Amino acid sequence: QSVLTQPPSVSGAPGQRVTISCTGSSSNIGAGYDVHWYRQFPGTAPQLLIYDNTNRPSGVPDRFSGSKFGTSASLTISGLQADDEADYYCQSYDSGLGSYVFGTETKVTVL
Amino acid sequence: EVQLVQSGAEVKKPGESLRISCRGSGYSFTTYWISWVRQMPGKGLEWLGRIDPSDSYTNYNPSFRGHVTVSTDKSISTAYLQWSSLKASDTATYYCARYFPGTWHFDLWGRGTLVTVSS
Repeated sequence: QSVLTQPPSVSGAPGQRVTISCTGSSSNIGAGYDVHWYRQFPGTAPQLLIYDNTNRPSGVPDRFSGSKFGTSASLTISGLQADDEADYYCQSYDSGLGSYVFGTETKVTVL
Repeated sequence: EVQLVQSGAEVKKPGESLRISCRGSGYSFTTYWISWVRQMPGKGLEWLGRIDPSDSYTNYNPSFRGHVTVSTDKSISTAYLQWSSLKASDTATYYCARYFPGTWHFDLWGRGTLVTVSS
């Protein structure tokens, strides 16, 4: 079981904005550890989407944005496109477990 | 090209041993740490452990310590994940991923190695 909780699914029409939440606790996000986001298409490896809460690696469009507040973080996808359909994971570090931790996956569906 | 090249799919029986590999290319292998991540069929991502290729120092997820071993051969820019006695529940895809010391995110991933354990 993961210590970072995400909604199982979110959906939206093309062009809309969707937000994925990542809820942690005082031993991970609330302890000040950064949150990172990954996207995974079926049958492929995860890819870094957002690092250090708000930063985008080179090549990631600015439609993707991240934020962090308290013990939670969120990923927002603006201008939803068909090829945004994928699984999304948040990731942080948990000092209580002494381990990197991932969130429960969120499947994004474009209606 | 900067990449992590993983070994091919494996089919093993319970109780057998296995070592899978992850070779870094296109960058200084000892500059980045390597982590291993498990993804069971239809499930999410789980961090297993990491190694610093420069000195082979390791850390493990307590849930996996003692069941898997992470090692490296920096002379051939390769990291390994091994089991001495596989279980059916080890059936999963295993990814290696690199990260820069002092950062906490994985910026480059291998394509994954599917391990199937079945009698």
